[in-house]
This record gives sequence, structure tokens and C-alpha cells, in this order.
Amino acid sequence: GAGVSQTPSNKVTEKGKYVELRCDPISGHTALYWYRQSLGQGPEFLIYFQGTGAADDSGLPNDRFFAVRPEGSVSTLKIQRTERGDSAVYLCASSLGRGETQYFGPGTRLLVL
Amino acid sequence: ELKVEQNPLFLSMQEGKNYTIYCNYSTTSDRLYWYRQDPGKSLESLFVLLSNGAVKQEGRLMASLDTKARLSTLHITAAVHDLSATYFCAVDPKYGNKLVFGAGTILRVKS
Repeated sequence: GAGVSQTPSNKVTEKGKYVELRCDPISGHTALYWYRQSLGQGPEFLIYFQGTGAADDSGLPNDRFFAVRPEGSVSTLKIQRTERGDSAVYLCASSLGRGETQYFGPGTRLLVL
Repeated sequence: ELKVEQNPLFLSMQEGKNYTIYCNYSTTSDRLYWYRQDPGKSLESLFVLLSNGAVKQEGRLMASLDTKARLSTLHITAAVHDLSATYFCAVDPKYGNKLVFGAGTILRVKS
């Protein structure tokens, strides 16, 4: 079946702009995760949704970052007033439920100029 | 705060040789994952280890977990070029809220 999909695959923006990154999880997966991966490093956790609610947002670096999952399926990560340090690959993962194996999408490569 | 350390960070090995990648973590957890990442690609799940003493094998890769030592190993047997990739271990400290990843081990298998 279809895996996790993310759009756009690449995003170039200017410092100070607003961006939205979209994640379509595997159908039927109730848990959804966002991670950020900088070059040469492992992914770092941002936020975890169980259904529609953010069960753990402890990884969001500051209040410029926000994520939603209004219908318990698609999720959008929103970054306000982007900074050059936000440049990274943003990965989305989903799992059948809490504690199940996480399956990752291809990522969105964000470049802030 | 949970820390996950992998070593080595870079491994260059000849085809046909054996080697082990180590993953140490700092707090109690009995759920550990191994992922593979090819350049420019996303992460592919390799193994899920859910209890002390768990051992999983797939082809030339074998993973094990010792929760008392807070150590997991990924053993490579008779390496082939197709195994060249970055390998990450990840620990689940809160039963499903998130994964904490190591820095990754870049594996290059030379012909």
C-alpha cells in the first residue's frame, strides 16, 4: 500500500517568511510524528499526534513552530518568521498506534535564504 | 535527558568482512529500533527490539538488545556493497511518544 507522503519535497523561502509542510500518513495509522534532521545528524523529535490531538509537543523549538492534525489524518507543520537555522529536512512518520513501528516519509527539504 | 550514542560514526570495510556497530543509551528503555538511510532518502525500518535479550536477523544483518547494559549491537556478516548506507539506532523512552536517535553510523563497503 501507499507509504507516508510529504509535500512539497523541496521548499526554498526567504528569511522571515511563513511556510507550511504537509504530511499524509499511512491510511489507518492513528499516531503521527514530526522530526527534523540536519545534515549529518539523526532526526530530532518535534511533535507527536495521537488522533487529532498533540500528545507531546515538547520537541518544538519555539513558538514559531506549530502543527495541526484537524481530522486525525493529514498533518501540517507551520513555521512562522522562518530563520536560516530552520533549514533542514523535515520528516513525518506514522504508526498504527502508540508504541508501534514508525514509518517515515521522504521528507521536505527546507532551505531558508 | 536520554542520550543515544553510536560508534563508530564512520565505518569503511571490505566486502566479505564482519563488523559490529554499537548503540549505547543513557536511561532505561526496552524498546529499540534500527533504521537504514540511503543518501537523499528517508529512513527504512530494519529491526524492532522489544525486550532484554531480543535478537533479530535479516540477511547479513543481526541486531541484539541488552537492556541491563543499555546496549544494542548491529552485526554485519560478510558485508556486500549494497549494505553501504547510514544506520541509525533509536530508543523509545516513553512508550511511543517519540524516538531519540543516535547520530548515525556511515557504512561504506568497498569492493
